[in-house]
Amino acid sequence: RKEVEQDPGPFNVPEGATVAFNCTYSNSASQSFFWYRQDCRKEPKLLMSVYSSGNEDGRFTAQLNRASQYISLLIRDSKLSDSATYLCVVRNNNDMRFGAGTRLTVKP
Amino acid sequence: NAGVTQTPKFRILKIGQSMTLQCTQDMNHNYMYWYRQDPGMGLKLIYYSVGAGITDKGEVPNGYNVSRSTTEDFPLRLELAAPSQTSVYFCASQNPGQARETQYFGPGTRLLVL
Repeated sequence: RKEVEQDPGPFNVPEGATVAFNCTYSNSASQSFFWYRQDCRKEPKLLMSVYSSGNEDGRFTAQLNRASQYISLLIRDSKLSDSATYLCVVRNNNDMRFGAGTRLTVKP
Repeated sequence: NAGVTQTPKFRILKIGQSMTLQCTQDMNHNYMYWYRQDPGMGLKLIYYSVGAGITDKGEVPNGYNVSRSTTEDFPLRLELAAPSQTSVYFCASQNPGQARETQYFGPGTRLLVL
């Protein structure tokens, strides 16, 4: 079993749609959780950290369920510029584990 | 600040050749990391360092070596290149002051071993 698992997609959605990504992790001792965004042939960049109480940043909402070892990312009112691969990342001390990513394409 | 810089951007190696991938950061971050990313896959940690003179193995260290003589530089060495090392290599740095502090990535080095 992979340590961090994501639906690879691709997700193809029209502009304005709401899309949700899921992620599960296997290490119950994991301490911190993140969503990164990676554009084609570019480096990953932090989109948002994920807090136990859930958190929102504009059109993006992240949720964490420690009991189920599950993380989600919701994107509302999708923009063309949201097209990218979204990486779920789980941290335990100095060990960062990345999911393979979920690819999103937002179409006009 | 330039952030995290990596050189070269792209390199083709023959099997058995050696090379060093350079990584430099100007943010005075203590923590630095090397990852590889194969097509369609997530990043895998090769080596990391929590400060000058200290290095530790990550998930996939075989075939690689690192050193950390200064805070700024964290070179990755491939001694005997193999086709399985064809990948994109990312260096990252982090300020360990906060557990949720982001990692800042360099632009990557694309390596092809033939």
